[in-house]
Amino acid sequence: DAGITQSPRYKITETGRQVTLMCHQTWSHSYMFWYRQDLGHGLRLIYYSAAADITDKGEVPDGYVVSRSKTENFPLTLESATRSQTSVYFCASSEFLGYEQFFGPGTRLTVL
Amino acid sequence: TQLLEQSPQFLSIQEGENLTVYCNSSSVFSSLQWYRQEPGEGPVLLVTVVTGGEVKKLKRLTFQFGDARKDSSLHITAAQPGDTGLYLCAGEAETSYDKVIFGPGTSLSVIP
Repeated sequence: DAGITQSPRYKITETGRQVTLMCHQTWSHSYMFWYRQDLGHGLRLIYYSAAADITDKGEVPDGYVVSRSKTENFPLTLESATRSQTSVYFCASSEFLGYEQFFGPGTRLTVL
Repeated sequence: TQLLEQSPQFLSIQEGENLTVYCNSSSVFSSLQWYRQEPGEGPVLLVTVVTGGEVKKLKRLTFQFGDARKDSSLHITAAQPGDTGLYLCAGEAETSYDKVIFGPGTSLSVIP
């Protein structure tokens, strides 16, 4: 099915563990984004990518790593999870910057 | 730092009432978008405005972009329970190439 998918949908982990959140899109959009959503802060950009092998930091990149070896995939890794990274994470894609962003269903991550 | 502010933060109204929510910034935006997010889902684009003073209508929703392209409003006529959700504005600031930022959102609840 065409669209943007995220996995897992729910994840519980412990402080210090490495966690990878997956994002896959089928439109061949150039741009992909990772956001976290927390009460009172709205959506905050973590990292984004303009194309394969091109990534850049957003507003809150500390503690996160991304890669984009293929256009359709944009995984987000928390190298050593902290409780402050408990959040809902959304992946999105768009054809061009400033165009409509298509969001995945989100991953709810809890760090104990 | 470019910021988008939204007001009110929360709004609870009766079915059939009219309402307006606002999105404001001190920065000039090349374009501004409005998204609606329902619980447990990612945001979905409602409209994009690009020209200062532009007004767009989507059924009972009217969107306006300020003349100076620093603010926007969303007016809903005769609100219905299906309008319930989080309304987010997002924009690409002219002075912040490649950065799209989101406001914190207005949470709307329409009571039957």
